[in-house]
Amino acid sequence: NAGVMQNPRHLVRRRGQEARLRCSPMKGHSHVYWYRQLPEEGLKFMVYLQKENIIDESGMPKERFSAEFPKEGPSILRIQQVVRGDSAAYFCASSPGTEQYFGPGTRLTVT
Amino acid sequence: QQPVQSPQAVILREGEDAVINCSSSKALYSVHWYRQKHGEAPVFLMILLKGGEQKGHDKISASFNEKKQQSSLYLTASQLSYSGTYFCGTESNFGNEKLTFGTGTRLTIIP
Repeated sequence: NAGVMQNPRHLVRRRGQEARLRCSPMKGHSHVYWYRQLPEEGLKFMVYLQKENIIDESGMPKERFSAEFPKEGPSILRIQQVVRGDSAAYFCASSPGTEQYFGPGTRLTVT
Repeated sequence: QQPVQSPQAVILREGEDAVINCSSSKALYSVHWYRQKHGEAPVFLMILLKGGEQKGHDKISASFNEKKQQSSLYLTASQLSYSGTYFCGTESNFGNEKLTFGTGTRLTIIP
């Protein structure tokens, strides 16, 4: 059973561009969570999704950030008009209902 | 509010024991423990549910005191592979919730 997959692993964007981060959960997992981690800091919750539904987006900025988990395909975290402060590691985690398993992360660098 | 972990950092010799504490100001439903090595994804260690249980596998165990809103992770006869940053993640309500991660404890094991 493959683990949680994320791509790309590294992403460089110029200020003002869009970033799209993808997450494929483990087989059989219907819950997906996105977290952001700044260097030398802990993980901060952004959004929790189930198939086709956003359950909790309380940690996601209202502007420029959006997330989806369509019926078919991976979950997508989209950041529009990126700024330097968006540079971070973005991890997704999937869950069968209790424990959460993390993907390898996408390291976003905004230049 | 973010759980507080103590100590912030600890250095041990191989074979020594360590205790990492996680304390929350909110009532907890569950506590999840993760280890993260530099540049890698957090790896799930164990989950403790409301009920004050103690869990363990191999030389790593944990306890959860829901009245005190605290959990402790015990590492016995530490190995070099135990090095990393340990995070507790807490849930305040019944399952399928976002995790609020603690401040982290950096553990370094030296030969």
